[in-house]
Amino acid sequence: SQTIHQWPATLVQPVGSPLSLECTVEGTSNPNLYWYRQAAGRGLQLLFYSVGIGQISSEVPQNLSASRPQDRQFILSSKKLLLSDSGFYLCAWSVAEDTEAFFGQGTRLTVV
Amino acid sequence: TQLLEQSPQFLSIQEGENLTVYCNSSSVFSSLQWYRQEPGEGPVLLVTVVTGGEVKKLKRLTFQFGDARKDSSLHITAAQPGDTGLYLCAGAGGGATNKLIFGTGTLLAVQP
Repeated sequence: SQTIHQWPATLVQPVGSPLSLECTVEGTSNPNLYWYRQAAGRGLQLLFYSVGIGQISSEVPQNLSASRPQDRQFILSSKKLLLSDSGFYLCAWSVAEDTEAFFGQGTRLTVV
Repeated sequence: TQLLEQSPQFLSIQEGENLTVYCNSSSVFSSLQWYRQEPGEGPVLLVTVVTGGEVKKLKRLTFQFGDARKDSSLHITAAQPGDTGLYLCAGAGGGATNKLIFGTGTLLAVQP
C-alpha cells in the first residue's frame, strides 16, 4: 500500500534562518507531488507541483523553492525565512491531477 | 489564475439541520473533488464528480457537479456533530495542467 511521510510535524524557526521540509512517498512510482500552504480554517494554496524528477512548477512567486531529487522525494526549502512564511504546510501525492490526492500529516511552521 | 470560491466561509448549525455548501469558479474543470479535513491533519477525499450535471450521494451527503463543470455543491441532510470539519472542493484538469486547485474552504460546526 502507498504511504506518504512528511516531517517535521512542528517547527519553530527564527526570521532569516533556512528551511527544509521533506516529504517521501512509498508504494508507488512517478507520482504527481504537491506542496500546499494553509491558513487556519481556510483552503489550500498550491505552492509547487511536480510531475517527475527535476520537474517543478511554481504557482506563486515567493520566498520558497522546491526540489525533487528522487522520484518519490519532494523538498520544500527557503534560504531565509520571513514572518509571513508561518503556516501549515501540506505535502500530497496523486496518480494524476484528477485522481484522489493523499496528504501527509502536515508541518506547522512558526517563524519568530 | 484559477480560483475556486466556496460559500459560506463559516457555518454553525444545530444537529438535525440541513445545509448546502457551494463551490464556484469561472474556469472549467474536467473533474471536481470534495474533501473533509480535521484539525491538524491532511484533507481526506469524500467524492469525485466528473460529468456535468452528475449527482452523487454518500449517505447523508449529496454532491452535484454543475452542467458547465464550473461549479459544485455539497448538501448535508440532518447534520450530526460528527460532520464538523473543514470542507474543501478541488478542481482538476483545468487546461493542459497537472495541478489540483483547492477552494477557499467552508468551516462547518454542528452543535449537539
